[in-house]
Amino acid sequence: EADIYQTPRYLVIGTGKKITLECSQTMGHDKMYWYQQDPGMELHLIHYSYGVNSTEKGDLSSESTVSRIRTEHFPLTLESARPSHTSQYLCASSPIVTGGETQYFGPGTRLLVL
Amino acid sequence: AQSVTQLDSQVPVFEEAPVELRCNYSSSVSVYLFWYVQYPNQGLQLLLKYLSGSTLVKGINGFEAEFNKSQTSFHLRKPSVHISDTAEYFCASWNFNKFYFGSGTKLNVKP
Repeated sequence: EADIYQTPRYLVIGTGKKITLECSQTMGHDKMYWYQQDPGMELHLIHYSYGVNSTEKGDLSSESTVSRIRTEHFPLTLESARPSHTSQYLCASSPIVTGGETQYFGPGTRLLVL
Repeated sequence: AQSVTQLDSQVPVFEEAPVELRCNYSSSVSVYLFWYVQYPNQGLQLLLKYLSGSTLVKGINGFEAEFNKSQTSFHLRKPSVHISDTAEYFCASWNFNKFYFGSGTKLNVKP
């Protein structure tokens, strides 16, 4: 069973607030990801990391930032939350392998920006 | 461009009936394929994956999928569903160091 954790699970916050969504994994995986998930839509990759001090932007334009100071920790920060940020955010990790990676997902954070 | 298409957004089925959730991928090169399940208010959980070898892949909870290269499909099947299988199912492919997810199929199992 994958060990990847996200906090908080649910968050309601006002417009303009700064928030950080936490993600931690205990599997020693090098790669980590943040996805945005809206109902009836595919997952959209917003950030990913190949390892410590590596961060890359994904396909979806995002006003968020990430950091990767430790292998196990990959927090996502919104400097100024807006109602358009209301969504579910999923964190995932995977080992670097040749020939097909498997991603392991956390339980998600549901964000509501008022 | 790579893509994954799930043809049905919702599939209603009665308990103990068989079910097939359809997935097609587009790729001109070797591809690795996955099915994930998402229960309400949870993250995605890996059901099964195809990396190479036998085209029939067995996963958890009695699910299986068949890789069909000529039809570029990776349909998910279960011979007899339970109420507890009610969830959303996502097909995904991995290629060129990137994952591509379908838009999901909601399986609704009715008593």
